[in-house]
Amino acid sequence: QVQLVQSGAEVKKPGSSVKVSCMVSGGAFSSYSISWVRQAPGQGLEWMGRILPMLDVADYAQKFQGRVTITADKSTNTAYMELSSLRSEDTAVYYCARDLPAYHWGQGTLLTVSS
Amino acid sequence: EIVLTQSPGTLSLSPGERATLSCRASQSVSSSYLAWYQQRPGQAPRVLIYGASSRATGIPDRFSGSGSGTDFTLTISRLEPEDLAVYYCQQYGSSPHTFGQGTKLEIK
Repeated sequence: QVQLVQSGAEVKKPGSSVKVSCMVSGGAFSSYSISWVRQAPGQGLEWMGRILPMLDVADYAQKFQGRVTITADKSTNTAYMELSSLRSEDTAVYYCARDLPAYHWGQGTLLTVSS
Repeated sequence: EIVLTQSPGTLSLSPGERATLSCRASQSVSSSYLAWYQQRPGQAPRVLIYGASSRATGIPDRFSGSGSGTDFTLTISRLEPEDLAVYYCQQYGSSPHTFGQGTKLEIK
């Protein structure tokens, strides 16, 4: 079955960057979009952007434009989300999810931004 | 950007009752590309409904979706204790693929 496995929790300082990975197994990696969704503590879901691995094309929510980069490595079936210029408000669980609507989700990666 | 507004914010009902959750879009959602997700405490979301009214694989028929254009509804016909969760709508017809702010369902 399809599984999305994300990298582990991160603690970062304000102003730094983080790169979270999402390895997909059990399905055709290139054929489906991978979205990144975050959830701040006690808050709702926020769509950040997605990539179409087959076309290597990404699009982003306006809120994150210039700060987020989503990439995909077809040789390892892994998608990445890099977020720069981190601030405390970026503290959240970050999920990757396959396809739209998202039938398959990663387990989530907790990012804590603190000085 | 399409803004999705869900109501009510919180719903408190008893087992066996019917729950009606609303999702209103700021502009028409193309081709009814509207999904509903359930997020139980401590878990990742899971898709319940896609295309506004189609149930995802394995979802009980107690869950149903309806609507088109700008107004959508998720109905849970007979509540069970395990339905305790936050429910989100998402439109995936145009980027950014925004979520509503969620409706928290409490089971009395």
